[in-house]
Amino acid sequence: DTGVSQNPRHKITKRGQNVTFRCDPISEHNRLYWYRQTLGQGPEFLTYFQNEAQLEKSRLLSDRFSAERPKGSFSTLEIQRTEQGDSAMYLCASSVWTGQHSPLHFGNGTRLTVT
Amino acid sequence: AQSVTQLDSQVPVFEEAPVELRCNYSSSVSVYLFWYVQYPNQGLQLLLKYLSGSTLVKGINGFEAEFNKSQTSFHLRKPSVHISDTAEYFCAQISGAGSYQLTFGKGTKLSVIP
Repeated sequence: DTGVSQNPRHKITKRGQNVTFRCDPISEHNRLYWYRQTLGQGPEFLTYFQNEAQLEKSRLLSDRFSAERPKGSFSTLEIQRTEQGDSAMYLCASSVWTGQHSPLHFGNGTRLTVT
Repeated sequence: AQSVTQLDSQVPVFEEAPVELRCNYSSSVSVYLFWYVQYPNQGLQLLLKYLSGSTLVKGINGFEAEFNKSQTSFHLRKPSVHISDTAEYFCAQISGAGSYQLTFGKGTKLSVIP
């Protein structure tokens, strides 16, 4: 178990630029989640995949956000035309679904700062 | 909609003293509860989980939590804290057997004072 890996750890970008983050889940995990955490708050759900299918998107995920998980392995989260309000920690998590809940394993996150 | 309430945003406690971090969850037919810890600039690490069975759940690092259905609470406790326990603690729930969405509380910052 090498854990959930996220890259980059930090990203500073200017408003209006596009950014892309990557998440590599634990290899045998079929579920992958993206959460966003702002200062002083708990993580908020953005979207999740079961294998390669994106099954749910939160209303927090505006049209500027897109997530993919090709081949059911790693995932990318892209934010287009970034705004200062997008500044946050973006957390990826994975889990295995076997008919009952198993805990989410989180990566160390990507901290985005939009200037 | 689900909501998880962590009643204290900050809890200072002296080293080797006991601590309780309070959490109330939204009542539902099926409830699955979790406590996570987050150290600075890191992701979340699972401390313990309640899925079913015994209402007293033991986790890592000497933490335990008690599921109380009548009070819709899932408080986290440790009998003697260490400096290394200084971190932010999040309570979270999933409601429903087929659900996938973990709802978090706003967190409680535990500061252990030497």
